[in-house]
Amino acid sequence: EAGVTQFPSHSVIEKGQTVTLRCDPISGHDNLYWYRRVMGKEIKFLLHFVKESKQDESGMPNNRFLAERTGGTYSTLKVQPAELEDSGVYFCASSPSTLGQRYNEQFFGPGTRLTVL
Amino acid sequence: KNQVEQSPQSLIILEGKNCTLQCNYTVSPFSNLRWYKQDTGRGPVSLTIMTFSENTKSNGRYTATLDADTKQSSLHITASQLSDSASYICVVAGMDTGRRALTFGSGTRLQVQP
Repeated sequence: EAGVTQFPSHSVIEKGQTVTLRCDPISGHDNLYWYRRVMGKEIKFLLHFVKESKQDESGMPNNRFLAERTGGTYSTLKVQPAELEDSGVYFCASSPSTLGQRYNEQFFGPGTRLTVL
Repeated sequence: KNQVEQSPQSLIILEGKNCTLQCNYTVSPFSNLRWYKQDTGRGPVSLTIMTFSENTKSNGRYTATLDADTKQSSLHITASQLSDSASYICVVAGMDTGRRALTFGSGTRLQVQP
């Protein structure tokens, strides 16, 4: 079974440009999460999808970030326009439906390293 | 504010030796605590998950403990191997209604030397 995949693995852009990150969760996983780690800091939550709906987007830093999950399969995270402080590693994770589960084990992708110059 | 603190920040040990990593948290209300291993250039991979009622859980040479009263956890690695070199991240899940996000520690970077 394929794990969570993310594309691209690296992206280098200039300040003011737009970048779109993609995440393909494990097939059948309803829950999809975006996290990011900025230099020297811990990984932080950005938002959570349940299927195509945004369950929690309280971690999104500002309105330059837009996440979508049309059709409830893959998700994209667009940064427009990018700023220097957006540099970091963006992780995606997915988990199956949590109904009847004690906890939701999240499976992480390898991340996209974004560098804004 | 929910926080997860880990110590030490980094650790160097010789192959075959044991080590213990520490995690203190202030996440409340508490749901579960996880230890993840993150190899360089990879995403975090779950090692153990413990709920409030569990105070120890093993996964091969990895043994995690949890004291929910003192809000402390440890990860013990036995007979370390070169492949154990990685960052180990303590992650705590709260029980906020409808929210399943995780609070991450900054990690302990472990280097196992031959």
